[in-house]
Amino acid sequence: AQSVTQLDSQVPVFEEAPVELRCNYSSSVSVYLFWYVQYPNQGLQLLLKYLSGSTLVKGINGFEAEFNKSQTSFHLRKPSVHISDTAEYFCAVRGPKAGGTSYGKLTFGQGTILTVHP
Amino acid sequence: KAGVTQTPRYLIKTRGQQVTLSCSPISGHRSVSWYQQTPGQGLQFLFEYFSETQRNKGNFPGRFSGRQFSNSRSEMNVSTLELGDSALYLCASSPGQPPSYGYTFGSGTRLTVV
Repeated sequence: AQSVTQLDSQVPVFEEAPVELRCNYSSSVSVYLFWYVQYPNQGLQLLLKYLSGSTLVKGINGFEAEFNKSQTSFHLRKPSVHISDTAEYFCAVRGPKAGGTSYGKLTFGQGTILTVHP
Repeated sequence: KAGVTQTPRYLIKTRGQQVTLSCSPISGHRSVSWYQQTPGQGLQFLFEYFSETQRNKGNFPGRFSGRQFSNSRSEMNVSTLELGDSALYLCASSPGQPPSYGYTFGSGTRLTVV
């Protein structure tokens, strides 16, 4: 079974400061990892994904994440945040095919609310 | 390119009623998944459909059901609504091949059960 733990439920930060949102996962098999962002009253928008290859993944809006297999982590970072980055961020893991032609469900963390203060 | 379309955006129902939610995936996408989002339980997987067949199912009671049509559009149905079914229901589509593609989510349907 897979699980995802987002270590901080809320992260306040000042504008133009760097930020790191932490995510640890648990899985007995190789995984695909994702970060999504959710703005109020909206669905989830994909920020970035790790499938294989380079452990440093660059996404949209200046975000990047580093896959660390030994620490089973996939932390999200941004060197300088903007007010518009205020949102809830979700880390998710998907295992390989669950069987047959199923592509496996996404297991989400509980979310981290990032609040950027002026 | 149109995104994932979910209708309706908002819905208010009474306990005991049933409800049907609709999801139109991105053109060409063959895989559709449904998730329930609540403040207490977070995002939980409901079902996954591919080529009109349910490929995976989450741990929800039988009151929750779904289907997918030949044009990949999907519906989910909840019968005998309970107050606890109040949630944001999100649909996600994926090309389906290969499995490495990420999912694209719709804006969701906000269901309120009173």
